Amino acid sequence: KNEVEQSPQNLTAQEGEFITINCSYSVGISALHWLQQHPGGGIVSLFMLSSGKKKHGRLIATINIQEKHSSLHITASHPRDSAVYICAIAQGGSEKLVFGKGTKLTVNP
Amino acid sequence: NAGVTQTPKFQVLKTGQSMTLQCAQDMNHNSMYWYRQDPGMGLRLIYYSASEGTTDKGEVPNGYNVSRLNKREFSLRLESAAPSQTSVYFCASSYLRRLNTEAFFGQGTRLTVV
Repeated sequence: KNEVEQSPQNLTAQEGEFITINCSYSVGISALHWLQQHPGGGIVSLFMLSSGKKKHGRLIATINIQEKHSSLHITASHPRDSAVYICAIAQGGSEKLVFGKGTKLTVNP
Repeated sequence: NAGVTQTPKFQVLKTGQSMTLQCAQDMNHNSMYWYRQDPGMGLRLIYYSASEGTTDKGEVPNGYNVSRLNKREFSLRLESAAPSQTSVYFCASSYLRRLNTEAFFGQGTRLTVV
């Protein structure tokens, strides 16, 4: 049983569409991370959340601690947003991050 | 400011060969991590180092050893490579323990064991 579940696994959108990627987890956490991995492999940290909502440009991340759920939204999507988006949780009392399997997003022009 | 630097980017090994993956960070981070990424699976922790001089096993440590040479450098060694170790390896670092702060990742090492 995976402690971190992401949905959908794959997502195809047209340029300009509003995108939502979901992350659910089953344990208590101290923080949740959203990461982006582009073709070519490098991983970049987008957000680290422990409550509420964060916004950076066209990206918005929200978290509901009671429901153990987080969402990553992309407004006005662009082909350069095409990447794998990964959710990871930092469990309270643990040294490690537990990762979801990722959501592959393709934005077509 | 280079962030996290991993070498090499690509490597092909024969079964039984050994190699060391190098990782260095220039952000004065305390914690460093080695992960592997396999198709259809999330990143899995191999080993981590919460501070200079300490290392601990993660989820999948078998077949690997690590060295935290100093605060900047954390290396991963495969003593006798096996095809099951074919994977993409990522080094990461963060300032505090428990990754309650942003994590920074290297560019990855794509390793093939034949």
